[in-house]
Amino acid sequence: AQKVTQAQTEISVVEKEDVTLDCVYETRDTTYYLFWYKQPPSGELVFLIRRNSFDEQNEISGRYSWNFQKSTSSFNFTITASQVVDSAVYFCALKEGGNMLTFGGGTRLMVKP
Amino acid sequence: DSGVTQTPKHLITATGQRVTLRCSPRSGDLSVYWYQQSLDQGLQFLIQYYNGEERAKGNILERFSAQQFPDLHSELNLSSLELGDSALYFCASSGGTGKDLRPHEQYFGPGTRLTVT
Repeated sequence: AQKVTQAQTEISVVEKEDVTLDCVYETRDTTYYLFWYKQPPSGELVFLIRRNSFDEQNEISGRYSWNFQKSTSSFNFTITASQVVDSAVYFCALKEGGNMLTFGGGTRLMVKP
Repeated sequence: DSGVTQTPKHLITATGQRVTLRCSPRSGDLSVYWYQQSLDQGLQFLIQYYNGEERAKGNILERFSAQQFPDLHSELNLSSLELGDSALYFCASSGGTGKDLRPHEQYFGPGTRLTVT
């Protein structure tokens, strides 16, 4: 079974629309960490956020916000008022007892002008 | 700029050949991770080194090996290359000392795109 599932493979929106990227994870560990990374067309992976399993407080950073819900094992990412520069592939990742990251399959976001 | 450097950026080689990918971690980071991103397998963890020692292994083929040197740079060696090894190979680092109090983030380099023909 996949540990990190990003069910939306591709999303297309028009600029200024809000968009939510879903991430569902699976773990038996009580302590774990969740991450979001952005991969723009240039290819590099850019760290966006880390969330600890013991901290369910949602976070907002500018137009970005994250909703962490342990009850549903979800860590969703919302972009408000999307812009063309937000076009990228977004990855959700899980870190359990070891140090490696387990990535979801990614969601390709296309923001059209 | 994450502070992690990888060379070369692109590599084109033939089947059966051997290549070496190089990674320099962020200053002060002791851990280096290698990941492979391919169309069919997605982003997969290959191997981790911490301060020169192998710490964890993922889905790394026996044809692949890695090492971390005393100056903390790392190399990933891929041998007997097959067409299916064509992928983007990322190096990441974490575990900095000093002022970096967030050991859990992994900062990724720009990747090396390997094409096997």
